[in-house]
Amino acid sequence: DSGVTQTPKHLITATGQRVTLRCSPRSGDLSVYWYQQSLDQGLQFLIQYYNGEERAKGNILERFSAQQFPDLHSELNLSSLELGDSALYFCASSVSGRADEQFFGPGTRLTVL
Amino acid sequence: AQSVTQLGSHVSVSEGALVLLRCNYSSSVPPYLFWYVQYPNQGLQLLLKYTSAATLVKGINGFEAEFKKSETSFHLTKPSAHMSDAAEYFCAVRSNNNDMRFGAGTRLTVKP
Repeated sequence: DSGVTQTPKHLITATGQRVTLRCSPRSGDLSVYWYQQSLDQGLQFLIQYYNGEERAKGNILERFSAQQFPDLHSELNLSSLELGDSALYFCASSVSGRADEQFFGPGTRLTVL
Repeated sequence: AQSVTQLGSHVSVSEGALVLLRCNYSSSVPPYLFWYVQYPNQGLQLLLKYTSAATLVKGINGFEAEFKKSETSFHLTKPSAHMSDAAEYFCAVRSNNNDMRFGAGTRLTVKP
């Protein structure tokens, strides 16, 4: 158990819909990272927040957005969903703002029908 | 831009045999390199990391990796494979943009 929690575990929705994925980092960690893992694209970094502020941005689509709240939990919002958005979404956390040792959550499996 | 390439998407070894998973990096600055393992239906777990302190890095579960600048490599090894080592392994590099760039992964199968 990494100490990072993600909810929900599974999510099934339809094209065009909007979903929110939630992540709680390890106690004491200030950074949260979001990743997308799919068979064709592999593991892709989406975005990082550090202590409430956006720190780094990767291959995140404009239809996706994220935020980190004062209690340091984070949410990833995915809108206008397409079939190709079906993937595993991982959250990770680390103590510092540097993308160093990261602790990964168990992931949320999103299926878009 | 920093990147890593994992050679071999699938490696199969017998129990007790040497495990060698290959990773080459591309970086214009001294890299920070990592190996992560992903067991089925789980998130990634850090095995070890290289941060320029020592070229031979020891990690968890008996794994180690050697940083070779001349070969731009950071291969992962374990002297004797266990059935429990069967998993997907990812090499990663921290980029100047402060994001982690992962390789495509190598699936390790251990035969009894």
